[in-house]
Amino acid sequence: EVQLVQSGPEVKKPGESLKISCRASGYSFGNYWIAWVRQMPGKGLEWMGVIYVGDSDTRYSPSFQGQVTISADKSNTTAYLQWSSLKASDSATYYCGTTAGWGPMAWLDPWGQGTLVTVSS
Amino acid sequence: QSVLTQPPPASGAPGQRVTISCSGSSSNIGSNYVHWYKHLPGTAPKLLIYRNNQRPSGVPDRFSGSKSGSAASLAISGLRSEDEADYYCATWDDSLSGWVFGGGTKLTVL
Repeated sequence: EVQLVQSGPEVKKPGESLKISCRASGYSFGNYWIAWVRQMPGKGLEWMGVIYVGDSDTRYSPSFQGQVTISADKSNTTAYLQWSSLKASDSATYYCGTTAGWGPMAWLDPWGQGTLVTVSS
Repeated sequence: QSVLTQPPPASGAPGQRVTISCSGSSSNIGSNYVHWYKHLPGTAPKLLIYRNNQRPSGVPDRFSGSKSGSAASLAISGLRSEDEADYYCATWDDSLSGWVFGGGTKLTVL
């Protein structure tokens, strides 16, 4: 069974760094893309960026370029989303999802269960 | 403000048919496939429809998708209590070179 399992909820202070994870199983991790999607409280879904695990080719939504870093480690079939300096506005639930391709023909399936990040002083 | 427009709430009685709309533009829905996801807060979103009208294995045929021009819709027939969730449309946006989502529609089964 293809499965993505995300790391647990985080509570951080503004200015702190954070790295959350998305562990994949049940498929050939290195041949797929992993995307990250944000859902702010009471809001819809926003695509943040995507990484091709095979060669770490990474694309970011303009809204998130420079704000976060996406990476992946093939050896432990895990993708990561990290911040160097959190802001209160980063408080949200973050989802990862996988896709075989990238572009107009692709969709995300399956998704992880989400990681709730709370940033508060 | 989401790039794709969905009506916020929708509702229907058990057994009824409900339709959820998704409106975009020529740079997204008008020229690309639309996909639909079902989401219960706190859980993993689930793919319901891909490429406008294709159902993944395991999704009942009560769910159907369609697209016309720059708009798409998801129809759910024979409503059941377990259909109560948030539903999101998604597509590729040529201007963004990335995915865009609708704001989501909360479906209540009365």
